[in-house]
Amino acid sequence: AQSVSQHNHHVILSEAASLELGCNYSYGGTVNLFWYVQYPGQHLQLLLKYFSGDPLVKGIKGFEAEFIKSKFSFNLRKPSVQWSDTAEYFCAVNAFNAGNNRKLIWGLGTSLAVNP
Amino acid sequence: KAGVTQTPRYLIKTRGQQVTLSCSPISGHRSVSWYQQTPGQGLQFLFEYFSETQRNKGNFPGRFSGRQFSNSRSEMNVSTLELGDSALYLCASSGTGGVLEAFFGQGTRLTVV
Repeated sequence: AQSVSQHNHHVILSEAASLELGCNYSYGGTVNLFWYVQYPGQHLQLLLKYFSGDPLVKGIKGFEAEFIKSKFSFNLRKPSVQWSDTAEYFCAVNAFNAGNNRKLIWGLGTSLAVNP
Repeated sequence: KAGVTQTPRYLIKTRGQQVTLSCSPISGHRSVSWYQQTPGQGLQFLFEYFSETQRNKGNFPGRFSGRQFSNSRSEMNVSTLELGDSALYLCASSGTGGVLEAFFGQGTRLTVV
């Protein structure tokens, strides 16, 4: 079955530390990949996405992610986090289901707390 | 362009009651998906509607149902509420035939007492 695995459920960092959140998926076909962020009290919003082309994608607020097809991974990175990055981060994969319709499959999320 | 609008924002219901949540997608979007978000369970997919037809369905009991109207607005209904149904219910709309990028509403916080 198609699934998305986020390795870290809770991450605590100090400001200026580097961040890498892992995301692996299980699906052998063509995928679209997303990272969404949910700031406290706010709705889910798109951080970045990969559809095709350059596997290194840049998103908002200095985030980037690299698609490594051979590893089925789409890890999120940021060189220097800020207190305002405290949020929940979700990885999602757009894959085809049995009826050949696309379906978003979500990881369980990673809660990031950045200490000032 | 207005975003995804969900109403109401907060609801408190009693066990055994039923509830209807509403979602208005972004203008022009025809796909509406519903999710249940709880701590520790992440985002659980309920179902997706496209052009008034249910296209994808998650693993929720039949107490959870939905529909979509010709203007793409969608409603989700939960009957015979249980305490475990307390959650944030999120609606997302997408602009194409496939779920290529989802835009989320603020959600409806349902508390069952």
